[in-house]
Amino acid sequence: AQTVTQSQPEMSVQEAETVTLSCTYDTSESDYYLFWYKQPPSRQMILVIRQEAYKQQNATENRFSVNFQKAAKSFSLKISDSQLGDAAMYFCAYRSAKTSGSRLTFGEGTQLTVNP
Amino acid sequence: GAGVSQSPSNKVTEKGKDVELRCDPISGHTALYWYRQSLGQGLEFLIYFQGNSAPDKSGLPSDRFSAERTGGSVSTLTIQRTQQEDSAVYLCASSAEGYSTRDEQFFGPGTRLTVL
Repeated sequence: AQTVTQSQPEMSVQEAETVTLSCTYDTSESDYYLFWYKQPPSRQMILVIRQEAYKQQNATENRFSVNFQKAAKSFSLKISDSQLGDAAMYFCAYRSAKTSGSRLTFGEGTQLTVNP
Repeated sequence: GAGVSQSPSNKVTEKGKDVELRCDPISGHTALYWYRQSLGQGLEFLIYFQGNSAPDKSGLPSDRFSAERTGGSVSTLTIQRTQQEDSAVYLCASSAEGYSTRDEQFFGPGTRLTVL
């Protein structure tokens, strides 16, 4: 079974600064997807960024980028130029590419605070 | 509607009562997922529907939990004889097909269940 671990329950960053959230995972599969989701107080999970395991290039979406280290099974999220609206709970998630209807396996989450 | 909707938004019930939670997926999405978010267990998968059938119900924690989906659209999660440990936020997600593992899962705002 796959597991996802986020070792930082809480993080804080000053507005306009950069912050990195850590995530490690364990799997015996070679083909899979990794995700970062954002959950604001409204509870709605929002996809921030996705990485396919077969791609060596790190995914980027505007101010959000990842550092994907497949051998180390590490998948960190970097938020640049942090904004007050980035404050939320962030979840790292894994999804197998092997079967249809694959579930998402989530980490425990990291609560990000952005200080003005 | 444009997104996944869930009702009720909040539900308070007494121990031993039955509850029904509803999920309306994005129109046309054939895949539907239920997840549970609780303080002690984090985010965990419950069940996956493809159309009206449930190929993966391995996450249902006990036989008190059941779910159905009708018309390939609305899904209902039923918890019988609720226990205090059932208190959690129940999240629903849908994706276009489910067959493609590239499918993005879109989440609803969740139902917060409190069992007194």
